[in-house]
Amino acid sequence: AQSVTQLGSHVSVSEGALVLLRCNYSSSVPPYLFWYVQYPNQGLQLLLKYTTGATLVKGINGFEAEFKKSETSFHLTKPSAHMSDAAEYFCAVSDSGGYQKVTFGIGTKLQVIP
Amino acid sequence: DAGVTQSPTHLIKTRGQQVTLRCSPISGHKSVSWYQQVLGQGPQFIFQYYEKEERGRGNFPDRFSARQFPNYSSELNVNALLLGDSALYLCASSLRGQIREQYFGPGTRLTVT
Repeated sequence: AQSVTQLGSHVSVSEGALVLLRCNYSSSVPPYLFWYVQYPNQGLQLLLKYTTGATLVKGINGFEAEFKKSETSFHLTKPSAHMSDAAEYFCAVSDSGGYQKVTFGIGTKLQVIP
Repeated sequence: DAGVTQSPTHLIKTRGQQVTLRCSPISGHKSVSWYQQVLGQGPQFIFQYYEKEERGRGNFPDRFSARQFPNYSSELNVNALLLGDSALYLCASSLRGQIREQYFGPGTRLTVT
């Protein structure tokens, strides 16, 4: 079984400040890990993903995340928040082999304060 | 190239009715997955189809069914609608069903009254 825990359903940061969205996962097999962003009344857009290889993953819009197996974490960061980053962010985990069922976290709503 | 498209955008139905949602994948993609996103929660997996066959099913009642057509488009059907079925229904497509390569459509917002 696999699961995702996103700590903090709402996060507020000032424009220009560091963005840190937390994600911890559990998986019985080597995982694939994802971060998606969802703007109001829209579908999900993939920000970045970890499958294999380098544990520091860079995504779109200046976001990055680091896969830490020992901590079962995949936290999302961005050095400097922009007003356009205000959205809901979802962490997700899937199995790396065979049929790949994906499990999403409940989401973190990011507010950027001018 | 067009992305994943879904129709309709919004839908209002009454309890007990039936609804059909439609999804067209990205050109060349042979797999479609369906997700339900209830307000305030993350998406939950409903079905995956690949090459017109069901490849996976989430923990949803038999009122939910789906199919994939020869052109790889897909329909999700929900019978005997309940208030709790109100949600954003997302479709995602991929070349061969790999989660790491899937792209999402904008969703269909279903409201059951």
